[in-house]
Amino acid sequence: DGGITQSPKYLFRKEGQNVTLSCEQNLNHDAMYWYRQDPGQGLRLIYYSQIVNDFQKGDIAEGYSVSREKKESFPLTVTSAQKNPTAFYLCASSIWGTELFFGEGSRLTVL
Amino acid sequence: AQKVTQAQTEISVVEKEDVTLDCVYETRDTTYYLFWYKQPPSGELVFLIRRNSFDEQNEISGRYSWNFQKSTSSFNFTITASQVVDSAVYFCALSELLYELRLTFGEGTQLTVNP
Repeated sequence: DGGITQSPKYLFRKEGQNVTLSCEQNLNHDAMYWYRQDPGQGLRLIYYSQIVNDFQKGDIAEGYSVSREKKESFPLTVTSAQKNPTAFYLCASSIWGTELFFGEGSRLTVL
Repeated sequence: AQKVTQAQTEISVVEKEDVTLDCVYETRDTTYYLFWYKQPPSGELVFLIRRNSFDEQNEISGRYSWNFQKSTSSFNFTITASQVVDSAVYFCALSELLYELRLTFGEGTQLTVNP
């Protein structure tokens, strides 16, 4: 089945460590996005990419980094510079003129 | 800057009741796109509807209906004869572009439908 796969579903990290969240899609979508969700809040855009080897900062990019080396993959690295990384992270993809398709999310907890 | 407000944080109803989730938005653009998503406990957001700003027709899909009113900048969502499976968090969102879906989300409304 086509879809978006995020891994891991749950991740624990010690303060000061970088961690990478994986996002893979087999929908042949050009655009991919990373959103962050905090309890009781809406989603906020971290980074997005319209094509391979190109990406743009969203509203809350500080402390995060991404890469887009393949159309299918858009990994997100949460760096030690991110002051409050505990959150639920959602990856999405889209094709022009439609809507965002979301993965099941990765829940990151900093100990 | 664009903004989406969902003033109802939580709503609790009994099965078979009708329920309306409110969404008010702000944007300076004359062309924009509005969305509703459902987030069940599994966490994945499920697309429900997209509405273009130039199309003010209301839409009905089964038990779901949407009322779009540009005059009041609102895009409300009604579930008729609610069911327990409708329990979820519902998000309203706005994008000023369609080729670049930089969605601005509201804070969501937690709907609980009790048997």
